[in-house]
Amino acid sequence: DVKVTQSSRYLVKRTGEKVFLECVQDMDHENMFWYRQDPGLGLRLIYFSYDVKMKEKGDIPEGYSVSREKKERFSLILESASTNQTSMYLCASSLSRPNTGELFFGEGSRLTVL
Amino acid sequence: QKEVEQNSGPLSVPEGAIASLNCTYSDRGSQSFFWYRQYSGKSPELIMFIYSNGDKEDGRFTAQLNKASQYVSLLIRDSQPSDSATYLCAVDHSSASKIIFGSGTRLSIRP
Repeated sequence: DVKVTQSSRYLVKRTGEKVFLECVQDMDHENMFWYRQDPGLGLRLIYFSYDVKMKEKGDIPEGYSVSREKKERFSLILESASTNQTSMYLCASSLSRPNTGELFFGEGSRLTVL
Repeated sequence: QKEVEQNSGPLSVPEGAIASLNCTYSDRGSQSFFWYRQYSGKSPELIMFIYSNGDKEDGRFTAQLNKASQYVSLLIRDSQPSDSATYLCAVDHSSASKIIFGSGTRLSIRP
C-alpha cells in the first residue's frame, strides 16, 4: 500500500513563527502536492512538484514556500505564520501526471495559528 | 464562477435508495474527472474516475460524464449508512496539469 506520511497531525503556532510541514511518501512517486482544506472552500492547491528540486505554484501560493530536495520528501514552509493560515493541510502524491493518475493523501496536519 | 461546482448539501437519502451527486466544471478542455470520498476527520480517497462521455460502473457506483454540458455525476445504488461522507468532485486543469477540487457534497444516509 502507498503510504504518505505527514510529520505532525496537530500543531499550534504563534503569529510570525516559521512553520515546517513535512511529507514523505514511500512509493517512489514522482509527483507531490500540498493542499489546504477549509470548510466551504474544498481543497485548494498551494504548490506542487513533478521532480526533485522542481516546484510550481498552485492556486494560493502566497505566504508559502516549498522544498523538494529528495524524491520522497516534500516540505511546506510558512515563513511567517498568520492567523488566516489556520487550516487543515493535506499532502498528496501520485505516480503519473495528475490528469491520468490517482492522488494518495496523507492524514493531514491541522495547524492553528494564534 | 468557481472552476468546479458542487452543491454543498447536506443531501439526505434513505438507506437502500439511490444517491445522486452532481458536479459542473468550467474548463472545456478538461479530460479527466474524479470522485473522491472523504469521511469525517479522514483524508480523501479515490472511488471513481472517468475519461469518456457516458457511464462507468463499478459495483454500486456509477459515474456519468457529459462533456458537452460540462457535467459529471456520481450515482450510488442501494445506499448504505457507510456511504455517509463528503464526496469531492475533481477535474484536471487542461493547461496546467493539476487537479481542481470542488468544495464537496455532504451525503447522509438515514436508516
